[in-house]
Amino acid sequence: GAGVSQSPRYKVAKRGQDVALRCDPISGHVSLFWYQQALGQGPEFLTYFQNEAQLDKSGLPSDRFFAERPEGSVSTLKIQRTQQEDSAVYLCASSFAQGYGYTFGSGTRLTVV
Amino acid sequence: DAKTTQPPSMDCAEGRAANLPCNHSTISGNEYVYWYRQIHSQGPQYIIHGLKNNETNEMASLIITEDRKSSTLILPHATLRDTAVYYCIVRVGGYGGSQGNLIFGKGTKLSVKP
Repeated sequence: GAGVSQSPRYKVAKRGQDVALRCDPISGHVSLFWYQQALGQGPEFLTYFQNEAQLDKSGLPSDRFFAERPEGSVSTLKIQRTQQEDSAVYLCASSFAQGYGYTFGSGTRLTVV
Repeated sequence: DAKTTQPPSMDCAEGRAANLPCNHSTISGNEYVYWYRQIHSQGPQYIIHGLKNNETNEMASLIITEDRKSSTLILPHATLRDTAVYYCIVRVGGYGGSQGNLIFGKGTKLSVKP
């Protein structure tokens, strides 16, 4: 596609509910990143994929967070048993190869109530 | 933690040059300076990057001091659409470098006023 597409654009979840956030990277982009952005803060790294391999998940804040990219294209970030502190914008970025310029999606704004 | 220091906010008059400073006094020899910006409700957008030479593209110019401890992003003729948060990031490797993730700080909120 022309850009990185994320869905849903907005998600409201009740505390304790599981959510799944989707990222469609630019076609052919090998690298995919997830970031979390709290209100008024810069984005913070969560995890990185190269094709289907998750090479770095050091930024995932807890074991409630899980990301996958089974076929090396679309990626899903799953958050189990959501908590209020999970409320943030979740950004996805892709790049042609590791180290090349990143293209970010517009993000999914998650609100946990 | 981010390795850069930026002022939290700046104002600029429309049509004038916007000069955004960044301090990166602990930058290593193999680290590049990258600039991204984030317009409200959008994801960050790449602007420019450099190692030690000044760089210019269709969006902006990047001036890096000789000791590489600071840099300035210049938007030559700021428009209202340039209102955004601007992030200065230091990162190992250039456009084809090997380091994966970007480490963002809080950036500078630039407000362009008519």
